Amino acid sequence: AQTVTQSQPEMSVQEAETVTLSCTYDTSESNYYLFWYKQPPSRQMILVIRQEAYKQQNATENRFSVNFQKAAKSFSLKISDSQLGDTAMYFCAFMNLQSGNTPLVFGKGTRLSVIA
Amino acid sequence: GAGVSQSPRYKVAKRGQDVALRCDPISGHVSLFWYQQALGQGPEFLTYFQNEAQLDKSGLPSDRFFAERPEGSVSTLKIQRTQQEDSAVYLCASSLGGTLGDEQYFGPGTRLTVT
Repeated sequence: AQTVTQSQPEMSVQEAETVTLSCTYDTSESNYYLFWYKQPPSRQMILVIRQEAYKQQNATENRFSVNFQKAAKSFSLKISDSQLGDTAMYFCAFMNLQSGNTPLVFGKGTRLSVIA
Repeated sequence: GAGVSQSPRYKVAKRGQDVALRCDPISGHVSLFWYQQALGQGPEFLTYFQNEAQLDKSGLPSDRFFAERPEGSVSTLKIQRTQQEDSAVYLCASSLGGTLGDEQYFGPGTRLTVT
């Protein structure tokens, strides 16, 4: 079974600064995706960024980028130029691709507060 | 644009009551997932449908939980004889289902409080 660990329950960052959220995972699978989801106080979960395990290049989406270290099973999220709207819970998630469409396995989340 | 919708948004049930939670996925999405999110936790998988077929129900915590998707679109999660430990947010997600690793689009969830 896969597990996802987010060791930072809460973090804060000044507006316009950079923050990195940590995530580690455990799996024996070789073919999988990793995700970061954002859940604002309104509760709707939104995909932030996705990384395919077979790709060595780190995914980037505007101000969001990841540092994917496959051997270390680490998948951190970097948010640059933090904005007040980035305040939310952030969940790291794992999807096994060995057997069709499979459910996401989530970490416990990191609550990020962006301070003006 | 229509996203995933869920109803009701909030439900208060007395212990022992039955509840039914509804999910309307994005039109044309083949795959539908139910997750349970306890307070302060990440979502945990309950069950998965591909069209009307329930392919995985390994996450359902007890036989009091039942899900269906009879016509391959709308899904209902039913909880019988609710218990206090059932209090959580129930999230529904859908995906196109055509390729591996499809993005899952989440609904706003139903917050269930059992008193």
